[in-house]
Amino acid sequence: DQQVKQNSPSLSVQEGRISILNCDYTNSMFDYFLWYKKYPAEGPTFLISISSIKDKNEDGRFTVFLNKSAKHLSLHIVPSQPGDSAVYFCAASARAGGTSYGKLTFGQGTILTVHP
Amino acid sequence: ETGVTQTPRHLVMGMTNKKSLKCEQHLGHNAMYWYKQSAKKPLELMFVYNFKEQTENNSVPSRFSPECPNSSHLFLHLHTLQPEDSALYLCASSQEGTNSYEQYFGPGTRLTVT
Repeated sequence: DQQVKQNSPSLSVQEGRISILNCDYTNSMFDYFLWYKKYPAEGPTFLISISSIKDKNEDGRFTVFLNKSAKHLSLHIVPSQPGDSAVYFCAASARAGGTSYGKLTFGQGTILTVHP
Repeated sequence: ETGVTQTPRHLVMGMTNKKSLKCEQHLGHNAMYWYKQSAKKPLELMFVYNFKEQTENNSVPSRFSPECPNSSHLFLHLHTLQPEDSALYLCASSQEGTNSYEQYFGPGTRLTVT
């Protein structure tokens, strides 16, 4: 059973417009959510995160929104740039048995293509 | 070197070979992870080492054997692998004991089992 799902395998956007990447989760114990970006032949790079006590976190062109009641989060990129073209993964974490290490559960990824 | 490094970047091995993947983190972190990424699948956590002790083994077959000699180095020893083990193997590190769960990844080792 996949606990974190990214239902859109790909997204194509024009440069300068908004990119919206979506992620759904099923485990109500998740309390921290992250977005990673991955270029070919590189490892995932941390982009932005949000704690479950917040519903929005913004960092420059990137904003993550969390809707706990819907178990849904989204990443908004405004304005989108060709260099943003990459695979985007959402990930979620829950404290496991009282330990503090951050075990992450990842979605399948969404390929974002930003056209000039 | 900065961040998380992995060697080799590419590896082709036969099913009877023994090889090792190496990961080194230069971030002063105290936890390290091995992940597997197969085609069209999410990243799958394999092992977690927290303060050099293995705290998670995610039902990984015994043909994968991790080793963490210190908090900066992590190895994945491979023997008698199967073709379905071909995948991208990613190492990550994090600083545990804080309220943030960011993990920092290496570039990965692309493994092909023939």
